[in-house]
This record gives sequence, structure tokens and C-alpha cells, in this order.
Amino acid sequence: GDSVTQMEGPVTLSEEAFLTINCTYTATGYPSLFWYVQYPGEGLQLLLKATKADDKGSNKGFEATYRKETTSFHLEKGSVQVSDSAVYFCALKVTGGGNKLTFGTGTQLKVEL
Amino acid sequence: DAGITQSPRYKITETGRQVTLMCHQTWSHSYMFWYRQDLGHGLRLIYYSAAADITDKGEVPDGYVVSRSKTENFPLTLESATRSQTSVYFCASSELGTAREQYFGPGTRLTVT
Repeated sequence: GDSVTQMEGPVTLSEEAFLTINCTYTATGYPSLFWYVQYPGEGLQLLLKATKADDKGSNKGFEATYRKETTSFHLEKGSVQVSDSAVYFCALKVTGGGNKLTFGTGTQLKVEL
Repeated sequence: DAGITQSPRYKITETGRQVTLMCHQTWSHSYMFWYRQDLGHGLRLIYYSAAADITDKGEVPDGYVVSRSKTENFPLTLESATRSQTSVYFCASSELGTAREQYFGPGTRLTVT
């Protein structure tokens, strides 16, 4: 079946540090890939997405590139801020999968001054 | 207001009681979803619906019932609440399509005593 594997958290960084959160996937079809973010006490919201190989999704300084050859969609940001502290979820959706998202378990990011 | 809303936001109930969590969306999205979020498990799909009067089981449906008589509403009922159903519940909606994102509600924190 389809699955998403994310690096374990929590990840603790100092402000202005470089961020990478690893995400790899297994899919039976050709998936679209998503990163969602959940701020404390809130629901999930889409951070970025990519729908085909070599696409780069970007938003709010975050980027992720769809790498079909390595089945990966790693999230990066060049300089994190305290306000980026949240839980980040990698997810995929395949055609014919009932329009369902398959989520990773989430990675908590803590950014300190 | 436009968007997706959930009610109540917080609920405490006793073991054995019936509880209904409400979800309402204003976009007329065809698909709606219910998830539960627990530490160590990420998001797990309980039930989803492709349209009014069409529902299907997700990963963890036992102990839950759903209905969808109107496109905009998707209530989730715990017929006889158990302590293991203490969780945060999220409703989401989307249109059909591999590239379409899901939009999440703010969540309902349910405690079963």
C-alpha cells in the first residue's frame, strides 16, 4: 500500500538555522505530494505541493522538490524563525485512491531564540 | 463565514454516552473526511464521503458512525464512547482530483472519562 515516512522529531533549531525535514514515500501510482503545517491548537493547512516529478513547491520561504528517482520530497528552509515552530506533515495522494491523503506521522519543529 | 467549521471545539463526556461531532463546509466540496490525531500515530482516517449519501470506511472506523444527507454537513457519531476514543478530531473537505488539497477544520478535542 501507499505510505509516507518522515524523520522523527522533535527537531530543535536556533533561529536563522537551516531546516531540512526528510520525507520519502511508497506509492502504487503516480502521486501528488504535499506538505501540511499544523500550528499549536489549530487544524492543518497546506504549506506547499508538487504534482509531478522535478516540480518544486514553495511557500513562505519553504521549498520541496518532487524527486521520483529517490521517491523523496524533503522540506527545506534557509533561515527558520520562531514563528515556524509547528508540526509538519508530509502526505501523498494517488489517482484512484478515493481522493484520500496518506500522511506521515508528522515532525515537530521547535525554533529557539 | 466561508470555510469549514467544527462544533463543539471541546467536549468532555462519559464512557458509554453517545456523542456527535459536527462538521460544516461552505464550499460545496464533494469530498469530506474525518480524522483522529493521537500522539505517535499522526492523522488516521476514520470515514470519508465522496458525495451526499455516499460514505466509506477509512483506517479506523470501529465505534464510529457517519451520515451525509447534505453536501455541506458530515457529522461523526460515537455511539457508545470509550476512553480509547479520547482524541482530537479533524474534519476536512476537498474537490476530486489528485492535485486538490484538503481543507481542514480547527478540530474538536474530545475527552472520554
